[in-house]
Amino acid sequence: DTEVTQTPKHLVMGMTNKKSLKCEQHMGHRAMYWYKQKAKKPPELMFVYSYEKLSINESVPSRFSPECPNSSLLNLHLHALQPEDSALYLCASSQGWGGTLPNQPQHFGDGTRLSIL
Amino acid sequence: AQKITQTQPGMFVQEKEAVTLDCTYDTSDPSYGLFWYKQPSSGEMIFLIYQGSYDQQNATEGRYSLNFQKARKSANLVISASQLGDSAMYFCAMRAQNTGNQFYFGTGTSLTVIP
Repeated sequence: DTEVTQTPKHLVMGMTNKKSLKCEQHMGHRAMYWYKQKAKKPPELMFVYSYEKLSINESVPSRFSPECPNSSLLNLHLHALQPEDSALYLCASSQGWGGTLPNQPQHFGDGTRLSIL
Repeated sequence: AQKITQTQPGMFVQEKEAVTLDCTYDTSDPSYGLFWYKQPSSGEMIFLIYQGSYDQQNATEGRYSLNFQKARKSANLVISASQLGDSAMYFCAMRAQNTGNQFYFGTGTSLTVIP
């Protein structure tokens, strides 16, 4: 069982729909991440939240809107997506950067498989 | 800038044999961590093993060991006694002190274990 929980596991939506992906962790981690991953490719970083503040946005289109309501929750709001947005969306968390040794791994959820019709 | 290179898109190994998955990295940061992840076809990314840049000994976790050659900037994953369940994508990743929360991933190696 993973310690990072993502819902839903599968999502099919039309290009005009609005939906949200949810991610929850209770490990006390203060850094949370959204990744997009295509088959047989590495995860592509989308957003990083550090201590509930958005610290990295990798030039992601505005049809993806992240939200971090508290230190345990991370949402990704989706609106007017395109077929090329179909992918596996992974949430991850890690110990927040404390300025010492970069020795803390990321822990990933099982992902949401998103299909855009 | 940090960079991770995995040059083996696909690898095959006989069950019960050992296999080495290659990873080289590039960073100017003296303090960094190297991580290996396994991703089965079901999608979850599983953390396997960690090696720190200041660690004097190679990391080991059960059947997984890391062959860390700092001067060559390589951190190869060795899987001993391969099992059918080891068939998956394997990603090497790095986190560096100067880039804090950001992780950098290689392109991955697809490992297939043959019975």
